[in-house]
Amino acid sequence: AQKVTQAQTEISVVEKEDVTLDCVYETRDTTYYLFWYKQPPSGELVFLIRRNSFDEQNEISGRYSWNFQKSTSSFNFTITASQVVDSAVYFCALSEAQHAGKSTFGDGTTLTVKP
Amino acid sequence: EAGVAQSPRYKIIEKRQSVAFWCNPISGHATLYWYQQILGQGPKLLIQFQNNGVVDDSQLPKDRFSAERLKGVDSTLKIQPAKLEDSAVYLCASSVTGVRTEAFFGQGTRLTVV
Repeated sequence: AQKVTQAQTEISVVEKEDVTLDCVYETRDTTYYLFWYKQPPSGELVFLIRRNSFDEQNEISGRYSWNFQKSTSSFNFTITASQVVDSAVYFCALSEAQHAGKSTFGDGTTLTVKP
Repeated sequence: EAGVAQSPRYKIIEKRQSVAFWCNPISGHATLYWYQQILGQGPKLLIQFQNNGVVDDSQLPKDRFSAERLKGVDSTLKIQPAKLEDSAVYLCASSVTGVRTEAFFGQGTRLTVV
């Protein structure tokens, strides 16, 4: 069975601080996908990144970066120079390779960025 | 490109009543998912369709929940009769067929059972 753990329930930072959201996963599959989604107050889940299990390269997109470490089953997400608009709930998710949209989600981390 | 459309956005019903949610996926997306998101938790998959066939409904409480996707496009999720613990956001998502695609989510329907 697949499992995703986001140990940080809530994080509060002041604008311009860097913040890292942790994600640890469990799966018996050798091939799988990992995702991060952002859920603003409007409720829609916004896709941020997909990473397959064979690609352990870290990725940077603007102020966002992701660190995938297969050895520790972790897929952490860092926001550099946080902004108020980054305030949202962030979900880490895990999918089997055959159906990337069929995901097991963590319970989310609520990020509050204060001005 | 239009996103996943869901209606209604909000619904309040009394326990034991029935309710239905509608989803229109992104055009061309053969795979459709219904997720249930209870407050403070991550979304949990209820059912997955591939065109108009069910791929996985192992997490769907079939004694009270039903879903259909006639003609392989729109989908309806029904709860009958509703219980208090069904209060949640019901998210619909769709994706193209294939192994390298993520799901795109609608804004969800927030159901409150009183």
